[in-house]
Amino acid sequence: QQQVKQSPQSLIVQKGGISIINCAYENTAFDYFPWYQQFPGKGPALLIAIRPDVSEKKEGRFTISFNKSAKQFSLHIMDSQPGDSATYFCAAVTSNFGNEKLTFGTGTRLTIIP
Amino acid sequence: DTGVSQDPRHKITKRGQNVTFRCDPISEHNRLYWYRQTLGQGPEFLTYFQNEAQLEKSRLLSDRFSAERPKGSFSTLEIQRTEQGDSAMYLCASSLSGGRSYTFGSGTRLTVV
Repeated sequence: QQQVKQSPQSLIVQKGGISIINCAYENTAFDYFPWYQQFPGKGPALLIAIRPDVSEKKEGRFTISFNKSAKQFSLHIMDSQPGDSATYFCAAVTSNFGNEKLTFGTGTRLTIIP
Repeated sequence: DTGVSQDPRHKITKRGQNVTFRCDPISEHNRLYWYRQTLGQGPEFLTYFQNEAQLEKSRLLSDRFSAERPKGSFSTLEIQRTEQGDSAMYLCASSLSGGRSYTFGSGTRLTVV
């Protein structure tokens, strides 16, 4: 059962362009929405996260937009750079007796071309 | 402390053999998680420890899988009678109680031949 749907599966963007990755969720118990960046051979690393009472959060070139009524959220990478080439995962968190369990999307392989 | 360490990084085993992986979390983190990631997919939750207590196990964790965290420090994940379907990256992550920031290790890539 895929509780967090992510698109696109892969994305190619020119250097300096905007990369946009979208996610949608079904479970209204989710209350925290992080994005992770993963390079080959490495574990995922937290990039940016948002709570559902906020519609937008910006950190440097990375922005999360959140639409609670539509149960959708997206990651925007401004001025995309070749070093941003990685796989990006959206995730959602529920709390169950202290278990802050992550449910991940299927990932987006981002390639930034010069 | 340089983060979450996992050992080995790679493991190739024959079907039917037992394997054990180790995870050393960030020392002050009392929560430890195991996730499994197959090619082209996001990580999937396997199990969770708070200190030495295993508090939740996913239905993905069949009877052939067992995890321990003696004394609330490092953790081990053992897979008995490995099957080809067990081939995956096994990720460990740790966090502090009340925190929602996980630190993942680089994973152990298991290949069952």
